[in-house]
Amino acid sequence: EPEVTQTPSHQVTQMGQEVILHCVPISNHLYFYWYRQILGQKVEFLVSFYNNEISEKSEIFDDQFSVERPDGSNFTLKIRSTKLEDSAMYFCASTMRETSGGSTDTQYFGPGTRLTVL
Amino acid sequence: QKEVEQDPGPLSVPEGAIVSLNCTYSNSAFQYFMWYRQYSRKGPELLMYTYSSGNKEDGRFTAQVDKSSKYISLFIRDSQPSDSATYLCAMKAGGSYIPTFGRGTSLIVHP
Repeated sequence: EPEVTQTPSHQVTQMGQEVILHCVPISNHLYFYWYRQILGQKVEFLVSFYNNEISEKSEIFDDQFSVERPDGSNFTLKIRSTKLEDSAMYFCASTMRETSGGSTDTQYFGPGTRLTVL
Repeated sequence: QKEVEQDPGPLSVPEGAIVSLNCTYSNSAFQYFMWYRQYSRKGPELLMYTYSSGNKEDGRFTAQVDKSSKYISLFIRDSQPSDSATYLCAMKAGGSYIPTFGRGTSLIVHP
């Protein structure tokens, strides 16, 4: 069964450093998402991406964050200058998204990257 | 008031028990209701997807939505140790593609 993959599984970085998190969405999906989950808290939406541009973003997704689809398969999240509070699990998701509420709207999540900022 | 409230648990039950997991919400625009299961160190996996009020059954799982009370439930019959996971409720307004998640309830089913 096709699945969303993410690398690395765990990333440790120093405060102020740049990190890039990698995702490979399901191959025939068109919409891509990043979410984060701080330990013990709820999953929070960061950004959605379609046709090589951001379609929606949350208040969390500020100028320190950027997303890119550098080729036909990868989808990346870059954090330019990491802060301690960026420590969280970051999940990538993808969907066909033909219609809201339809079966193609189902988001499939990857296993996540645990980001630890020291 | 938070948009989606969910008791984090943990909820510990013996194998074979009926489990009831619940969420309340405040946004009356929510029309689509989902339950995700999340195993340790894994991403959320969609279990149930319902629209508006009513019941939906899939095997041992039943999702209920009561929009008048802004209350949703997931029932698990004949619970198994393999059901041990965190269960996240999520919901969306009509026309929105972005779900709002609850904190998740940790379920432990012991043999």
